[in-house]
Amino acid sequence: DQQVKQNSPSLSVQEGRISILNCDYTNSMFDYFLWYKKYPAEGPTFLISISSIKDKNEDGRFTVFLNKSAKHLSLHIVPSQPGDSAVYFCAASALNTGTASKLTFGTGTRLQVTL
Amino acid sequence: DGGITQSPKYLFRKEGQNVTLSCEQNLNHDAMYWYRQDPGQGLRLIYYSQIVNDFQKGDIAEGYSVSREKKESFPLTVTSAQKNPTAFYLCASSGQFFNQPQHFGDGTRLSIL
Repeated sequence: DQQVKQNSPSLSVQEGRISILNCDYTNSMFDYFLWYKKYPAEGPTFLISISSIKDKNEDGRFTVFLNKSAKHLSLHIVPSQPGDSAVYFCAASALNTGTASKLTFGTGTRLQVTL
Repeated sequence: DGGITQSPKYLFRKEGQNVTLSCEQNLNHDAMYWYRQDPGQGLRLIYYSQIVNDFQKGDIAEGYSVSREKKESFPLTVTSAQKNPTAFYLCASSGQFFNQPQHFGDGTRLSIL
């Protein structure tokens, strides 16, 4: 049962344009969401997070949007740069279950930013 | 530099042997985690520990064991009972508050010959 889904395995975007990565979840108990970036043979690196009390969080070129009614979040990267080429994982946790840091990950979207 | 160290980066073992993967952190984090990643899949939680001398099973704990005798260390043993142990293993740690994200090591790739 995949509770966090990233339905696009890959995405190709031109340098300077916007990259939009999508994530859907099914567990209504999830109330904290994170995006991680991963290069091959390395561990994931935390990018940005959002709590369910917000619908938007911005950090530099990265913005995460949360639509609770649709159980959907997205990561926008503007402008996209070649160094952004990596696999992006969406993750979610349920803070009110007593396991505050237990994360459920999606399967990842491979972003390629072309010149 | 503060961080999480996983060693070795690559590990080869014969089928039927137990193998222990090391994870050390100097971030003073209370919680530590072990994940497994297979090709085309997300990270799946094996075990986690929120405090020294305590740990809980994750989603795929069968065939694995852990210990948490020190705050800095959370070794993972892949036992011979694990039916498909070849994978990329990632260790992570985090602070005790919910809004503190997990930080990851660079992983150990285990191959069973």
